[in-house]
Amino acid sequence: NAGVMQNPRHLVRRRGQEARLRCSPMKGHSHVYWYRQLPEEGLKFMVYLQKENIIDESGMPKERFSAEFPKEGPSILRIQQVVRGDSAAYFCASSPYTRDEQYFGPGTRLTVT
Amino acid sequence: QQQVKQSPQSLIVQKGGISIINCAYENTAFDYFPWYQQFPGKGPALLIAIRPDVSEKKEGRFTISFNKSAKQFSLHIMDSQPGDSATYFCAASVKTSGSRLTFGEGTQLTVNP
Repeated sequence: NAGVMQNPRHLVRRRGQEARLRCSPMKGHSHVYWYRQLPEEGLKFMVYLQKENIIDESGMPKERFSAEFPKEGPSILRIQQVVRGDSAAYFCASSPYTRDEQYFGPGTRLTVT
Repeated sequence: QQQVKQSPQSLIVQKGGISIINCAYENTAFDYFPWYQQFPGKGPALLIAIRPDVSEKKEGRFTISFNKSAKQFSLHIMDSQPGDSATYFCAASVKTSGSRLTFGEGTQLTVNP
């Protein structure tokens, strides 16, 4: 049973470009969470999605950030017009229906130059 | 009220010793308390978790102690090994809010041989 998959593992973008981060949950998991980890800090919740629905986006910056989890395919976290402050590790986690355990992917390390 | 405070920030233990990491929370609605282990460059891995209806849970060398009245919980690592050297995060969630995790700041554990 493959774990949570994220790609790319490393992403370098220039200021002003767009970043697209992908997350494929574990098989049988229909809940996806995105977290951001800034250097030397803990993880901060960004958004919680189920298939075709955003359930909680209270941790998402109001501008430039969006997320989706389509009926088919991976969940996507999209950052438009990236700035240096967006440089961080972005982790996706998935959980089974009605259970609390969240299993994390290896993360995407975004560097904005 | 959503914060989880974790201490110490860093911890050095000798091989074979006991590592103890503490967390405190304010939100009495939290009903799930996991611990995650993270190695450099990797995603957090679920280690052990507890719910507030029990005061202690043990899995191998890892034990969670939970004090509901004090709103505190701690991770004990018995017979600590150099391979346990990692960053440990406590977290908490409320099932009715979609189970998004609120993380502590992390503890960097070093086990000397």
